[in-house]
Amino acid sequence: ETGVTQSPTHLIKTRGQQVTLRCSSQSGHNTVSWYQQALGQGPQFIFQYYREEENGRGNFPPRFSGLQFPNYSSELNVNALELDDSALYLCASNPGTQTDTQYFGPGTRLTVL
Amino acid sequence: GIQVEQSPPDLILQEGANSTLRCNFSDSVNNLQWFHQNPWGQLINLFYIPSGTKQNGRLSATTVATERYSLLYISSSQTTDSGVYFCAVDRSHNDMRFGAGTRLTVKP
Repeated sequence: ETGVTQSPTHLIKTRGQQVTLRCSSQSGHNTVSWYQQALGQGPQFIFQYYREEENGRGNFPPRFSGLQFPNYSSELNVNALELDDSALYLCASNPGTQTDTQYFGPGTRLTVL
Repeated sequence: GIQVEQSPPDLILQEGANSTLRCNFSDSVNNLQWFHQNPWGQLINLFYIPSGTKQNGRLSATTVATERYSLLYISSSQTTDSGVYFCAVDRSHNDMRFGAGTRLTVKP
């Protein structure tokens, strides 16, 4: 148990649709990061939020966007879904501004048909 | 960006055996972590180890930052150690880069 939860567990969407994934961090964890993990690969960094502001971004297009709320919850939004967006989406939190000792949620598995 | 290479890509062991997993990275880093991902996808942090040596039970890790590599040692392996082991590094504290992982299978 890492204290980080994600919802939903699984999700099926069709190409062109929009999706919102949710993450609830541990209380006191001001930093949340989101990752995309394709089958058989390592996680890829999407972006990081610190106290509701984006604090870093990986090589993902603008249709991937996020929000972080004061209650330690956050969202990942993906617009205009493509088949290649099918993956496991992971969020991770840590207490400080830096990515030290990250605590991962169980992930949301997204399938785009 | 930083490149992270892990070896070997796959490892099959008999229960009780020891193993060493390696992580090479292409640039200096401020953060290095080892994770274990279980068959259900849950990533568990094993070590935060940008330099030096740490031990936790049957697991230990060593990072030689000046030579840009880290090693994860698993002793007396158990079937529950099976899964994928990832090394992840970060130079700027807001862009973690993962390797492709080492898939470990421990047979009873």
